[in-house]
Amino acid sequence: EPEVTQTPSHQVTQMGQEVILRCVPISNHLYFYWYRQILGQKVEFLVSFYNNEISEKSEIFDDQFSVERPDGSNFTLKIRSTKLEDSAMYFCAGAQVGGRGNEQFFGPGTRLTVL
Amino acid sequence: GNSVTQMEGPVTLSEEAFLTINCTYTATGYPSLFWYVQYPGEGLQLLLKATKADDKGSNKGFEATYRKETTSFHLEKGSVQVSDSAVYFCALSVSSGSARQLTFGSGTQLTVLP
Repeated sequence: EPEVTQTPSHQVTQMGQEVILRCVPISNHLYFYWYRQILGQKVEFLVSFYNNEISEKSEIFDDQFSVERPDGSNFTLKIRSTKLEDSAMYFCAGAQVGGRGNEQFFGPGTRLTVL
Repeated sequence: GNSVTQMEGPVTLSEEAFLTINCTYTATGYPSLFWYVQYPGEGLQLLLKATKADDKGSNKGFEATYRKETTSFHLEKGSVQVSDSAVYFCALSVSSGSARQLTFGSGTQLTVLP
């Protein structure tokens, strides 16, 4: 059964450094998402991506964040200059169709630790 | 805005016990409702969903009914197993824009003891 993969599983970085989190969605998916979960808190929506552009983004997704689908298979989240409060688990998700009742398929997550 | 409130955890049950995890929501518009489950070391997996009032979602012995009058979507299972130990997330999605992001509750950790 196809699945969403994410790399790395754990990333440790120094404050102020740039990080790129990578996701390989399921091949026939068209809608892509990033979510994050700070330890002990809710899973929060960051951004959605469709047709090679951002569809929606939350208040969390400020100028420090960017997303890209560089080669038609990978879907990346870049944090330009990490802060301590960016430490969280980051989940990538994809969906075949964007309708409100349609299932999103999630990856296992990347744990980002900013020191 | 949209929000989901979930029963606080952790929840510890003995095998074959009855499970209820409460979930209530507020939403602008007409939401679809979901339960996702996260097993240790894995991503979130859809457990069940309901897209309109009075719909019942069911899967693997779990059920939840979309109650518009009480804005609730409580998860139930009649007899839990050790393998059901996981974190359960209630979530909603509303019609706004073309890509429907999910709004999650805080998650409920369930541990089932043999």
